[in-house]
Amino acid sequence: DAGVTQSPTHLIKTRGQQVTLRCSPISGHKSVSWYQQVLGQGPQFIFQYYEKEERGRGNFPDRFSARQFPNYSSELNVNALLLGDSALYLCASSLAGQGNYEQYFGPGTRLTVT
Amino acid sequence: AQTVTQSQPEMSVQEAETVTLSCTYDTSESDYYLFWYKQPPSRQMILVIRQEAYKQQNATENRFSVNFQKAAKSFSLKISDSQLGDAAMYFCAYRSAYVGFNKFYFGSGTKLNVKP
Repeated sequence: DAGVTQSPTHLIKTRGQQVTLRCSPISGHKSVSWYQQVLGQGPQFIFQYYEKEERGRGNFPDRFSARQFPNYSSELNVNALLLGDSALYLCASSLAGQGNYEQYFGPGTRLTVT
Repeated sequence: AQTVTQSQPEMSVQEAETVTLSCTYDTSESDYYLFWYKQPPSRQMILVIRQEAYKQQNATENRFSVNFQKAAKSFSLKISDSQLGDAAMYFCAYRSAYVGFNKFYFGSGTKLNVKP
């Protein structure tokens, strides 16, 4: 079975632009979480979606939004990009939205804002 | 809010030897899960081992084992018989058992170098 996939792999954007990142979970997984990993730091939780509803949100501004589709894939949108948004964005999927279920991470999308 | 601290930014170990990575966390909760994730240069995070706080027995997965000290809020990872493929960033992570969603708190990571 394929693991978590993310697209694109790399992305370069200019300050003020908008970006959309995509994630496809492992088949059968209904929960998708998004993390931001700034260089030299650990991942920080942005969102979790389960059954197409937002279940949790981290301490990120409203410029960050996400959604989950009927096939459980997900998009992360970031508006009005800032230099500080440059990071590796990780998607993780799990079977359910809570409980002791393992999270599987994708390879990430490297976003560079210039 | 919970915090996870990894005080060793970088460590080195000789191939075939043993190394221990440290992690401490701060929480007022009594039930939670702890994890060690490995992130090789290829970037994909892989779960190495996990521990449920209500279990007193330390988790073990082949060459990887943990020393879980709940009272001290310490969760160290021991890698035995280190191999070149163990070289990676290692992240310690915390997840509450009470919150109804999968919010993980990660430490800042420890870069492990393995010398041949």
